[in-house]
Amino acid sequence: AQTVTQSQPEMSVQEAETVTLSCTYDTSESNYYLFWYKQPPSRQMILVIRQEAYKQQNATENRFSVNFQKAAKSFSLKISDSQLGDTAMYFCAFMKHEASYGQNFVFGPGTRLSVLP
Amino acid sequence: DTEVTQTPKHLVMGMTNKKSLKCEQHMGHRAMYWYKQKAKKPPELMFVYSYEKLSINESVPSRFSPECPNSSLLNLHLHALQPEDSALYLCASSQDRGGGWSNQPQHFGDGTRLSIL
Repeated sequence: AQTVTQSQPEMSVQEAETVTLSCTYDTSESNYYLFWYKQPPSRQMILVIRQEAYKQQNATENRFSVNFQKAAKSFSLKISDSQLGDTAMYFCAFMKHEASYGQNFVFGPGTRLSVLP
Repeated sequence: DTEVTQTPKHLVMGMTNKKSLKCEQHMGHRAMYWYKQKAKKPPELMFVYSYEKLSINESVPSRFSPECPNSSLLNLHLHALQPEDSALYLCASSQDRGGGWSNQPQHFGDGTRLSIL
């Protein structure tokens, strides 16, 4: 079974600064996908960024980028120029495709990020 | 605005009641999911509708029963729930239909906050 660990239950960052959220996972699979989702107090889960395990290049989406280290099974999220709207719970997610039913998402425990004015 | 619509947003029910949670998506997605999320915890997968069949997490009690009237609707019927079933119930959909579509992200609704008295 796959497990996802986020070692930082809570973090804070000053507005306009940069912050990195850590995520590690454990799997014996070679083909899988990794995602970061954010969940603001409004409670909707919103996709931040995704990475295919077979791609060596790190994914980037505007102010969000990842550092994917496949051998170390590490998938950290960097948020640059933090904004107040980035305040949310951030979940790292591992996804493996099951032949019988498709996507199997396993979420980490989450990191609560607070952006301070 | 979310493209996955869940109703109701809040539900309070007694342990002997029967109620239903509704989830609808109009993105033409082929897969839909129900998750349960307790406070300060990650979402946990309950049911999957994909490849035109329902798949069930065997740890989910039978007092929860999913129904898929068509490919854009996935309802969750509730009966004789327990206080520990109080949680946020999230619905999601994805374009997953296997093959090259297997890496598509899941899109989430706003959730239904369920309270069992």
